[in-house]
Amino acid sequence: EAGVAQSPRYKIIEKRQSVAFWCNPISGHATLYWYQQILGQGPKLLIQFQNNGVVDDSQLPKDRFSAERLKGVDSTLKIQPAKLEDSAVYLCASGDEQYFGPGTRLTVT
Amino acid sequence: RKEVEQDPGPFNVPEGATVAFNCTYSNSASQSFFWYRQDCRKEPKLLMSVYSSGNEDGRFTAQLNRASQYISLLIRDSKLSDSATYLCVVQFGNEKLTFGTGTRLTIIP
Repeated sequence: EAGVAQSPRYKIIEKRQSVAFWCNPISGHATLYWYQQILGQGPKLLIQFQNNGVVDDSQLPKDRFSAERLKGVDSTLKIQPAKLEDSAVYLCASGDEQYFGPGTRLTVT
Repeated sequence: RKEVEQDPGPFNVPEGATVAFNCTYSNSASQSFFWYRQDCRKEPKLLMSVYSSGNEDGRFTAQLNRASQYISLLIRDSKLSDSATYLCVVQFGNEKLTFGTGTRLTIIP
């Protein structure tokens, strides 16, 4: 069974630039999650989707972060404009047991 | 008070020894509990769920103490491959998973 796919794996941008991450969940999984993991901390949920609807986005900084899952399968997470403190690994997970993808390591300089 | 608290370690333990981690949680109504394992620069992976009656999976034993609001993970006969960060995870109902900061374990040959 294919796992959760994410791209890119690494991204380096300057502050105030924009960036987008992509996630393809495990086939058939209705739930999809985006987490932010800052170095030395546990993952923090940013947004949870059930199919193409948002279940929880209470911890998403909506002034700069946005996410969508238009067709209920793939999802994109965007940051615009990026700040230094956004440097982290962005993890996508899918399914009730939350299988995680490899993550995208973002460095904002 | 943090929702989920763990001793960050590091724990440096000789191979073959027994090691135990504790984790405390603040929401007494929390219903589901898990231990995840995260290797360096990798994504978290579910190690085991924690049930009220306690549960064992090979060398790993997880226990839940609702009265004191803590869960524990015991690793017996530790192997070099057990070196990782162990994340304590708590869930209230079907709401988001809340991760602790993780406890770093290094098994020494």
